[in-house]
Amino acid sequence: DTAVSQTPKYLVTQMGNDKSIKCEQNLGHDTMYWYKQDSKKFLKIMFSYNNKELIINETVPNRFSPKSPDKAHLNLHINSLELGDSAVYFCASRTSGRGTDTQYFGPGTRLTVL
Amino acid sequence: QQQVKQSPQSLIVQKGGISIINCAYENTAFDYFPWYQQFPGKGPALLIAIRPDVSEKKEGRFTISFNKSAKQFSLHIMDSQPGDSATYFCAASKGPGNQFYFGTGTSLTVIP
Repeated sequence: DTAVSQTPKYLVTQMGNDKSIKCEQNLGHDTMYWYKQDSKKFLKIMFSYNNKELIINETVPNRFSPKSPDKAHLNLHINSLELGDSAVYFCASRTSGRGTDTQYFGPGTRLTVL
Repeated sequence: QQQVKQSPQSLIVQKGGISIINCAYENTAFDYFPWYQQFPGKGPALLIAIRPDVSEKKEGRFTISFNKSAKQFSLHIMDSQPGDSATYFCAASKGPGNQFYFGTGTSLTVIP
């Protein structure tokens, strides 16, 4: 069973379009994240949700809006896509207790904006 | 600013050699230091992690060395194999519920 899944794996779209990326985790974790990985492999945190509540919102254009319908899902909606949005987007989930503090990453969604 | 500084950006090692990746941090509130391994087309995955109450942690061929006074930690890969070729990220966090601050990544290539 996949712990953290994302759909779609690849997304190719035109500038100006609106698109969504879905994320689901079956680990029972309380905290979920969205990261953006650029062409230089740098991992930048975008959002963090704990129990469906936004707790971290880094400097991200408001064209990006996360939505968490329940603890197991954190979707990312992007409006008015721009060329600079092209990147790989990773969803991750994390345990909230002490002990092994691990983030589990999804397989990523490669977004290409033409 | 970059909370965790990682070097080198890329590393080429012969099979059987030792790969060493270094990270440094400034925030003394950090109390958890994981390393993540990422293969092409995959998400990062936890490789090994350490807390500042120990100076070294070893798991198989992978060892973290931690120097609290210098605020540095490093990943050592002994007997490096071509299958170790990946991008490695160090990270730090202030504990449960706090975000991970990732380093900029090191692309490791192990030549057969």
